[in-house]
Amino acid sequence: EVQLVESGGGLVKPGGSLRLSCAASGFIFTTYTINWVRRAPGKGLEWVSSISSSSRHIYYADSVKGRFTISRDNAKSSLYLQMNSLRAEDTAVYYCARERNDSSGYYEGFDYWGQGTLVTVSS
Amino acid sequence: SYELTQPPSVSVSPGQTARITCSGDALPNLYTHWYQQKPGQAPILVIYKDTERPSGIPARFSGSSSGTTVTLTISGVQAEDEADYYCQSTDTSGTNFWVFGGGTKLTVL
Repeated sequence: EVQLVESGGGLVKPGGSLRLSCAASGFIFTTYTINWVRRAPGKGLEWVSSISSSSRHIYYADSVKGRFTISRDNAKSSLYLQMNSLRAEDTAVYYCARERNDSSGYYEGFDYWGQGTLVTVSS
Repeated sequence: SYELTQPPSVSVSPGQTARITCSGDALPNLYTHWYQQKPGQAPILVIYKDTERPSGIPARFSGSSSGTTVTLTISGVQAEDEADYYCQSTDTSGTNFWVFGGGTKLTVL
């Protein structure tokens, strides 16, 4: 069974830092691109960051570029999101999500998601 | 930056057909995916590549595409389908990689 389990959320003051983790199991982690997606209270889904299977391709949303760093440890089947210079608008539930592609490389969306971890940025 | 436009809300009675649209200038050249999210739960992929349905998703969920608009159709809506629905595509503006629509709240009357 495919599982993605996030951890590391909590309450942090503006300007502070937090590191989120996502533990994967039930699939060959080294062959999948993984993403972070968030949902702020009362808002919709927002894509945050993406990292390819080998970490060769990394992308960030404009809203977090320069403040957040995505990484992965394939030996531990784990994904990370280092969040620095946090702002109130970063308050959200953060999800990790597996990206699926077909044999021709076409994207097929995010087929598995974790249950999310809540990050609250407040003084 | 690139935007996908969805109606904020759609309301239907049980057994009726719900149609949720997603508009974007680049959609004729890109695939779109759809997600369902219920309160307190993670999103679920219900349609990928415009029209494909993942295993385990009921057949009443279908997708279509015409020009700059893609549509998620739920036939014979059930009370359990009440949720937020989001479309997703790649961002052609070059500023991001993925983009989600603003979401549509489906209310089953």
